[in-house]
Amino acid sequence: EIVLTQSPATLSLSPGDRATLSCRASQSVNTYLAWYQQKPGQSPRLLIFDASNRATGIPARFSGSGSGTDFTLTISSLEPEDFAVYYCQQRDNWPPLTFGGGTRVEMK
Amino acid sequence: EVHLVESGGGLVQPGGSLRLSCTASGFSFSYYAMGWVRLSPGKGLEWVSGIGGSGATSYYADSVKGRFTMSRDNSKNTVYLQMSRLRAEDSALYFCAKGTFVGSGTHFDYWGQGTLVTVSS
Repeated sequence: EIVLTQSPATLSLSPGDRATLSCRASQSVNTYLAWYQQKPGQSPRLLIFDASNRATGIPARFSGSGSGTDFTLTISSLEPEDFAVYYCQQRDNWPPLTFGGGTRVEMK
Repeated sequence: EVHLVESGGGLVQPGGSLRLSCTASGFSFSYYAMGWVRLSPGKGLEWVSGIGGSGATSYYADSVKGRFTMSRDNSKNTVYLQMSRLRAEDSALYFCAKGTFVGSGTHFDYWGQGTLVTVSS
């Protein structure tokens, strides 16, 4: 089973700041990695698929990069609605499909 | 517009059974894999099960293998999760999610609102 480790667990930032979130895989997942955003009381929302492709309707301030075992989600300038929990998920080696433990982006 | 609506959650005693349903609309249902993902209190997202577009094969997390069965009825645009021998650790909000293509090794681009399962005596 591929283990995804997200860091940091919590990121305390202000609106307008740049957010950099990391996801590290226990073995290569090529570029088969996605990022999701989840707000309290809401279902997860796909942001990025296959490492660097923005999903439909996702603003350009969200970008993904990486391959192999190291991946990054960057939010170029945080908007108030971006404070949420972010998860990565791999689809390269399955079953099982696996998620990271999440990074909470909170307002400083 | 894609819609996924889950139902069937509730309170059940340990060892009991529940069947979750998820009815989809707004896309060509049989062309896409579907999955169940759960969110437990204080934990993150956990993939539970997936099924390809044809419904021929389903896959499971080790934590539920042998206890849960996922199926789909493409004529009704519905997927099911039959859960048996439920344990306290199965308590979670269960999401139905649409895959990004027909195979089960997928990301998920649309999610339902979730149905809550509580296993407690």
